[in-house]
Amino acid sequence: DTGVSQDPRHKITKRGQNVTFRCDPISEHNRLYWYRQTLGQGPEFLTYFQNEAQLEKSRLLSDRFSAERPKGSFSTLEIQRTEQGDSAMYLCASSLLGRHYEQYFGPGTRLTVT
Amino acid sequence: QKEVEQNSGPLSVPEGAIASLNCTYSDRVSQSFFWYRQYSGKSPELIMSIYSNGDKEDGRFTAQLNKASQYVSLLIRDSQPSDSATYLCAVNNYNQGGKLIFGQGTELSVKP
Repeated sequence: DTGVSQDPRHKITKRGQNVTFRCDPISEHNRLYWYRQTLGQGPEFLTYFQNEAQLEKSRLLSDRFSAERPKGSFSTLEIQRTEQGDSAMYLCASSLLGRHYEQYFGPGTRLTVT
Repeated sequence: QKEVEQNSGPLSVPEGAIASLNCTYSDRVSQSFFWYRQYSGKSPELIMSIYSNGDKEDGRFTAQLNKASQYVSLLIRDSQPSDSATYLCAVNNYNQGGKLIFGQGTELSVKP
């Protein structure tokens, strides 16, 4: 299977703990995106990378959030000092570089902060 | 005004009928338009993309785009119970980095 993969699929953590999620994009895709989705809402953009460069971060991404894509392949999203409001599905998507290239999503990581 | 708006539904149609899902967007320079299907507890799955005014057909799905009216729609012909899901409209402005702006989704229920 050469689709987008994410790990872990589920994470339960206590408030105040740090968590890290991993995303492996489709191998030939240059761009990698992170989104967050809460119940009943569409996904909201968080940040994206073109190769290893982080080109944009949403204002939703507070100081507690950091994302990396060190070698232009997989990416990690870290949340420090988690809060209950961080509970959501974290989605990763990848695409080729281009005007109309479609984004394909991974299965997501569901985070529950207790 | 939300950037991308959809009726949240639920939209209920009988099996075999045509389901019509609508979406409006506010950014006139949007260039790419997508429909994703999302089953409960799963991630979005791309089912249609459209970039030019007019219709684009793929199997039972037809996407329609009217840039003058800032309107995108998805028609599902011969609806099946397996089509029951939330349908997300997403819009992309390549000049703003290609990020997708999503509507809140329309829940479709196809009754046998």
